Amino acid sequence: TQLLEQSPQFLSIQEGENLTVYCNSSSVFSSLQWYRQEPGEGPVLLVTVVTGGEVKKLKRLTFQFGDARKDSSLHITAAQPGDTGLYLCAGVVVYRTVGSARQLTFGSGTQLTVLP
Amino acid sequence: ETGVTQTPRHLVMGMTNKKSLKCEQHLGHNAMYWYKQSAKKPLELMFVYSLEERVENNSVPSRFSPECPNSSHLFLHLHTLQPEDSALYLCASSQDITVHLRGYTFGSGTRLTVV
Repeated sequence: TQLLEQSPQFLSIQEGENLTVYCNSSSVFSSLQWYRQEPGEGPVLLVTVVTGGEVKKLKRLTFQFGDARKDSSLHITAAQPGDTGLYLCAGVVVYRTVGSARQLTFGSGTQLTVLP
Repeated sequence: ETGVTQTPRHLVMGMTNKKSLKCEQHLGHNAMYWYKQSAKKPLELMFVYSLEERVENNSVPSRFSPECPNSSHLFLHLHTLQPEDSALYLCASSQDITVHLRGYTFGSGTRLTVV
C-alpha cells in the first residue's frame, strides 16, 4: 500500500495571506495529481505533474513535484474565500503489469478555510 | 454538472435494509470506480471496472456488491450494512484504466447513514 501524508490537516487563514500545503510519501509515483473538493461535492482535478522537479501554475496556485517524485507541494498566493475546500493529493502507481493499469492512491487531505 | 451523476444524494438505511446506489456517466469513459470517503481518512478504492469487467476489488466486504451493466452505468448494492459503513460514497470515471493524465471525474457522492 502506498501511503501519502498531507500536512497540515487543517489550515485557517485570512483572505490575502499566502500558504503552502504538502504531500509526502516514501514511495515513488509515476505522476501525482491535486484535487479540490468542496462541501457536498466530489473532488475536482486541478493539475497533474509528471516530471521530477516540475512546476505548474494555475492562476494563484503553484504546484511542484519533488525531484525524486516522492513529494509535492501546493502554494496559494493571496488566498481568497473561494479557495476554501479540501485539497487532496493523489499518486499514480502501476498496480498491474497486464495493460499497465494504474491506480490513484489518495492522501487524507488538507482542509483549507479562507476567512474574509 | 460534473458529467458523473450519482443518486441518491443522501440515504439513510437500517442495518437490515437493502438499497442500491446508482452512478451514470455520459463522458464516453471506459473505466468506472467506487470510492468510500470517511472523515479524516484517505479515499478508499472499493471497486474498479474497465469495459464493464471488474478488474479490482480491494478486499471489500461482501455486503457491498457492485454491478456494471454497461460502460455508462455503475451500481453499488448494499445489504445488512453496519453503522461503520456510514460514509460518502463517490463514483468516478476515467478514459480508461491506463490513461491517468486527465485524472478522474468524480460524481457528487451519496451520503450514506446506517442506523
